[in-house]
Amino acid sequence: NAGVTQTPKFRILKIGQSMTLQCTQDMNHNYMYWYRQDPGMGLKLIYYSVGAGITDKGEVPNGYNVSRSTTEDFPLRLELAAPSQTSVYFCASSYPTGGITEAFFGQGTRLTVV
Amino acid sequence: GQQLNQSPQSMFIQEGEDVSMNCTSSSIFNTWLWYKQDPGEGPVLLIALYKAGELTSNGRLTAQFGITRKDSFLNISASIPSDVGIYFCAGVNYGGSQGNLIFGKGTKLSVKP
Repeated sequence: NAGVTQTPKFRILKIGQSMTLQCTQDMNHNYMYWYRQDPGMGLKLIYYSVGAGITDKGEVPNGYNVSRSTTEDFPLRLELAAPSQTSVYFCASSYPTGGITEAFFGQGTRLTVV
Repeated sequence: GQQLNQSPQSMFIQEGEDVSMNCTSSSIFNTWLWYKQDPGEGPVLLIALYKAGELTSNGRLTAQFGITRKDSFLNISASIPSDVGIYFCAGVNYGGSQGNLIFGKGTKLSVKP
């Protein structure tokens, strides 16, 4: 099993550019999450999804958009990149049924906005 | 929204020492998870706890799900240099907001050889 796969691993954007961070999971998990982690800090939830077609805002959604057209994919979109969005982005998925609610993380995307 | 208080924020210990960290909340959780994050990597699940009072071990790691369901602790015995990293607790609540998964802010562990 590949688990949770994020692409790209690294990216440098100019201010005002847009990009999509890709996240795919092959575990048939219905819950998926996007977090950002600033240097030396914890994880802040950007958006999450409880299933295909359903998304909701987390703690820090401004400047981002998501979609969930399939169970497997949960892309994160930055429309107008700003320096404040320089961070490491982690995607995670979980399957909270039957008492099992473990979340698994991707390797992260390190984004720099200059 | 729900929040977890994780402490301590950071620890500097000598190799061979035992480590203890904990998470508390004003809300109850159905599940507690403990993760470790190595530099440049994503968090990796260490231990999952599903029942109040449950005590679970994974090698030198031991974690407990508090009786009140509002806290959990993680102990590391006889620390070694590769224990260095950031440890996160996460509480899970069926049907809660934030996608049912709430993270603490992490405990950064440094181990001196």
